[in-house]
Amino acid sequence: AQKITQTQPGMFVQEKEAVTLDCTYDTSDQSYGLFWYKQPSSGEMIFLIYQGSYDEQNATEGRYSLNFQKARKSANLVISASQLGDSAMYFCAMPLLNDYKLSFGAGTTVTVRA
Amino acid sequence: DVKVTQSSRYLVKRTGEKVFLECVQDMDHENMFWYRQDPGLGLRLIYFSYDVKMKEKGDIPEGYSVSREKKERFSLILESASTNQTSMYLCASSFPNRDRGPKQYFGPGTRLTVT
Repeated sequence: AQKITQTQPGMFVQEKEAVTLDCTYDTSDQSYGLFWYKQPSSGEMIFLIYQGSYDEQNATEGRYSLNFQKARKSANLVISASQLGDSAMYFCAMPLLNDYKLSFGAGTTVTVRA
Repeated sequence: DVKVTQSSRYLVKRTGEKVFLECVQDMDHENMFWYRQDPGLGLRLIYFSYDVKMKEKGDIPEGYSVSREKKERFSLILESASTNQTSMYLCASSFPNRDRGPKQYFGPGTRLTVT
């Protein structure tokens, strides 16, 4: 079974700076992928970025990039040029083997300071 | 854009009441999910449905049941609400896309308080 670990319960970042959110995973699958979602205080989960293990280049979506290091089993999210609106909880999630279900980490709360 | 809606944003119920949480999606997705979210625990899957009238237990199904009579609607039922079911409930749906992974689309969530 997959296990997703986010070791940072909370982080503070200064506006306009970059922040890296850690996510490590444990899976025996040969082919897998990893999602990052954002959850603002309103509660809705917003899809940010996805990368499959078979993708050779790290995924980027605007200010979000995924730093996938398969040897270390980590898939960190980097948010560049932080904005006040980036203050939220962030979750990484991995699809289960041959399944449509996702396994989620515990989440990291990011607070952006002006 | 995919739209997933949930019947209530906030709900307060008494212990022992029967509670219905409704979720509707408009993208003809086969898969629908109910999660609960608690601080420090992330999202935990309660039930999952991969087709009309089909359901599968998730990690924490105890105390819950579900109903899926139509493809677009997935209901979560608390037969007899208890205080330990006070939580944030999130509904999601997905259409399998093997090229990009099983991306799930989420509703706004329902914050349920059982007193």
